[in-house]
Amino acid sequence: AQSVTQPDIHITVSEGASLELRCNYSYGATPYLFWYVQSPGQGLQLLLKYFSGDTLVQGIKGFEAEFKRSQSSFNLRKPSVHWSDAAEYFCAVGAGNAGNMLTFGGGTRLMVKP
Amino acid sequence: KAGVTQTPRYLIKTRGQQVTLSCSPISGHRSVSWYQQTPGQGLQFLFEYFSETQRNKGNFPGRFSGRQFSNSRSEMNVSTLELGDSALYLCASSSSKEGRSYNEQFFGPGTRLTVL
Repeated sequence: AQSVTQPDIHITVSEGASLELRCNYSYGATPYLFWYVQSPGQGLQLLLKYFSGDTLVQGIKGFEAEFKRSQSSFNLRKPSVHWSDAAEYFCAVGAGNAGNMLTFGGGTRLMVKP
Repeated sequence: KAGVTQTPRYLIKTRGQQVTLSCSPISGHRSVSWYQQTPGQGLQFLFEYFSETQRNKGNFPGRFSGRQFSNSRSEMNVSTLELGDSALYLCASSSSKEGRSYNEQFFGPGTRLTVL
C-alpha cells in the first residue's frame, strides 16, 4: 500500500523568501504524484502533478516540484513567497492501477510573515 | 465549465441520525470520489464511483455508503451517525476513462458535517 509523509507540520517564512515543502512517498511502482493547496474552509486546488517524463514540473502560482526517485521525494518549491500563499499544502500519491484513489500526506501549514 | 458542486455546504445532525450528501461533478466527468477530512486523521479516501459502479473503497465501516446516478451525480450516505463522523466531506471528479489510468481530480468545496 502506498503512503505519503510530510515531515513538516508547520512552516513559517517571510514574504519574499524562498520556500520548500518536503514530501516523501512509499509506493512500489512509478507513482502519480500531486500537490494540492487548501485555504481555510475551502476544497483542494491542484497546484501541479507528475505522471512521467521530466522530473521537474511546473505548476500554477509560480510553484514547481522535483521528483527524485532515488530519494522517494517530491518536494514543492517556490522562489519567492507571497502573503496569499498562506494555506495548507498536501502532497498525494495515486496508484495507476487503483482508479482514482489518492493517498494524502498529513499536510503542511504555511504561514507567511510580512 | 462549472466546477464540482456539493450540497449542502453545512449540516448539523445528532448522534444516531443519518445524513445524505450530494455531489455534482464537472460536466463530462464520469468518476466521482469521496474523501473525509478530519484534524486527527487527515484526508482519507472513502470510495470512488465510475459509471454508476463502485470502483474503489477505502477502509470505512459499512455505515458509509454511496451511489452514482446515470448523470454522474453522486450521493454519499452515513447512517447511525457518531460524534467521530464530524468532518469535512470532499467530493472530487475526474474524466477517468474505462481503463484504470490515473486522471487528475478536481475537488468541490466540501460539506461540513457536525454531529452533536
